[in-house]
Amino acid sequence: DTGVSQNPRHKITKRGQNVTFRCDPISEHNRLYWYRQTLGQGPEFLTYFQNEAQLEKSRLLSDRFSAERPKGSFSTLEIQRTEQGDSAMYLCASSTDRVGKNIQYFGAGTRLSVL
Amino acid sequence: QKEVEQNSGPLSVPEGAIASLNCTYSDRGSQSFFWYRQYSGKSPELIMSIYSNGDKEDGRFTAQLNKASQYVSLLIRDSQPSDSATYLCAAPTDSWGKFQFGAGTQVVVTP
Repeated sequence: DTGVSQNPRHKITKRGQNVTFRCDPISEHNRLYWYRQTLGQGPEFLTYFQNEAQLEKSRLLSDRFSAERPKGSFSTLEIQRTEQGDSAMYLCASSTDRVGKNIQYFGAGTRLSVL
Repeated sequence: QKEVEQNSGPLSVPEGAIASLNCTYSDRGSQSFFWYRQYSGKSPELIMSIYSNGDKEDGRFTAQLNKASQYVSLLIRDSQPSDSATYLCAAPTDSWGKFQFGAGTQVVVTP
């Protein structure tokens, strides 16, 4: 197993453009999480999935953000009309739902820079 | 109000000494806790998980959990320069495993 994979690793975009990130979880993991991290802060929860069902979306997330996980496999996070404040590291993590085995494993992240 | 609190540091530790990191949490329902290490520009990497009161040791790392006092700590023995990183404390805040992270404690091990 190659672990959690995220693409792209870096994304530079101009303000107002749309961007989409992809996350491929560890194959047997049915839970997938998206976090955002800015400098000097811990990861901040954005949204998560149990299989293909989106369980919760952070109230801190504007309507410009949307995430999908079709067929319960990979997930995409889209940001529409990007703003400079969206610049951050976007982290994806996955885990199983087995009791006592809910460790989250992180991908390498996608670093977004909005100019 | 933040649910997981950590001292931001930096915590400067001489090589070979013990680094002691603390984390407090507000949710008394939290049952499990996780320590992640994050090198600059990299993603978090799991160091330790702890589910019950007491100590859990793994190599040079020891996690300590005190649910009555709502704190969890991480000790790094025989600190090495490669231990220089930010250490994140995390706790699930619901049954689906949504994590709340602390802001992280930066550790600097000086030769």
